[in-house]
Amino acid sequence: GQQLNQSPQSMFIQEGEDVSMNCTSSSIFNTWLWYKQDPGEGPVLLIALYKAGELTSNGRLTAQFGITRKDSFLNISASIPSDVGIYFCAGQLYLEDDKVIFGPGTSLSVIP
Amino acid sequence: GAVVSQHPSRVICKSGTSVKIECRSLDFQATTMFWYRQFPKKSLMLMATSNEGSKATYEQGVEKDKFLINHASLTLSTLTVTSAHPEDSSFYICSAVTSERTDTQYFGPGTRLTVL
Repeated sequence: GQQLNQSPQSMFIQEGEDVSMNCTSSSIFNTWLWYKQDPGEGPVLLIALYKAGELTSNGRLTAQFGITRKDSFLNISASIPSDVGIYFCAGQLYLEDDKVIFGPGTSLSVIP
Repeated sequence: GAVVSQHPSRVICKSGTSVKIECRSLDFQATTMFWYRQFPKKSLMLMATSNEGSKATYEQGVEKDKFLINHASLTLSTLTVTSAHPEDSSFYICSAVTSERTDTQYFGPGTRLTVL
C-alpha cells in the first residue's frame, strides 16, 4: 500500500531559527496536506496543496507540492515556542474514497 | 468554519462494557467522515470510512463487529467500541470532509479511551 516517509523524525531548534521538514512517497498523490498536532488534541490543518509545483504560504509557514507529486516540504520561518508539536504530512488519492494516508510525523521542539 | 466536535473528550470504562463516541460537524454537512486511531507517539491509523446513509468501509485488520460505526445524518457519525478491552485503550479521532471540498479533512479534537 501507499506509504509516506517524513524527515527528520524529530528536531530541536532555537527560537527564531527556520525549520524545514520533508515528506516523500513512492506513490503519486493528488493532494498533499500538512497538519500540526498538539498533545491530546486532534490534528489541525496548516496548509493544503492541490497542484503539482504549487507553493503556498500561511503566515510563517510555506509548503510546496513537488513536481513529481511524490513529495512535499514544509518550512517554518522564525520559529516561536508555540510551534512545538508534531507535524504530519498526509497524501490523498481521489480514487480511494478521499482516503488520506498520514506520514509518521516530525516532532518539533523549540528552545526559548 | 469547518468545525468538528467529538464527545466525550475522555472516557474511562471497565473491561467488557461498550463505549460510544460521537463525531459532529458543527457548521457544515459532512457526507463522509473518517475514524482514526492513534497510539502514543504514533501517526494516525485509518480505521474506517463512514458515508451518510450507508455501511461504513473498514480498513484491513479492523474488526467491524468490534468497532461499530453509524453515520445516521449529515452531521453525525458514531463509533461504538463493543466489549472493550484494555488493548482498545487509545486516542480516537474523527474527521469530516465538506461536500464543497472533498479533498480536505477537518479533524475533531479526539477522544481518549481508557479501558481498565
